[in-house]
Amino acid sequence: DAKTTQPTSMDCAEGRAANLPCNHSTISGNEYVYWYRQIHSQGPQYIIHGLKNNETNEMASLIITEDRKSSTLILPHATLRDTAVYYCIVRVASSGNTPLVFGKGTRLSVIA
Amino acid sequence: ETGVTQTPRHLVMGMTNKKSLKCEQHLGHNAMYWYKQSAKKPLELMFVYNFKEQTENNSVPSRFSPECPNSSHLFLHLHTLQPEDSALYLCASTRTGGNTEAFFGQGTRLTVV
Repeated sequence: DAKTTQPTSMDCAEGRAANLPCNHSTISGNEYVYWYRQIHSQGPQYIIHGLKNNETNEMASLIITEDRKSSTLILPHATLRDTAVYYCIVRVASSGNTPLVFGKGTRLSVIA
Repeated sequence: ETGVTQTPRHLVMGMTNKKSLKCEQHLGHNAMYWYKQSAKKPLELMFVYNFKEQTENNSVPSRFSPECPNSSHLFLHLHTLQPEDSALYLCASTRTGGNTEAFFGQGTRLTVV
């Protein structure tokens, strides 16, 4: 079962920042927060991940609260091509391999 | 282009047919996965392979039979499927160990008639 809670859907105006929240109140100390997105009928695409510090890359920023019980993915300037389902996943990093477990995600609609 | 290639992209098969889905990656990854995504449902993990060995079978019916001949190739053999097996089948790969991102193929859209 997914260990995260996300809103079912959100809208965002094109050119504005999209802020996607995620609750993971039962996260363990060795679990990372990952974000993926899935554009219609394609395979999921990795966006970003983090443990406790805020992270930024060319696609997005990830803000993790100090208690690590929630996080926010920020797309700074949303475009129509950012319309997708966004998945927040917690996953332990280990010497073995822990598969990604997907929940229902947030359907983000970017509107012109 | 993610480096993970799935073929075919679309497949229509009858309930008595036997077909196979193929996944290939040349990213140097040692772990490969099959996921199923039915209409309006989350991705469901089916199988996990690490270094060619199956390490997880998520209670998948035996009409789905995976095969991993080497770390770069993964197959899903299908036989006597049901219409409810119609779905998008996705393959993914990762490096083994540590904190790694998964790369997904574009999927095979399967329709069972």
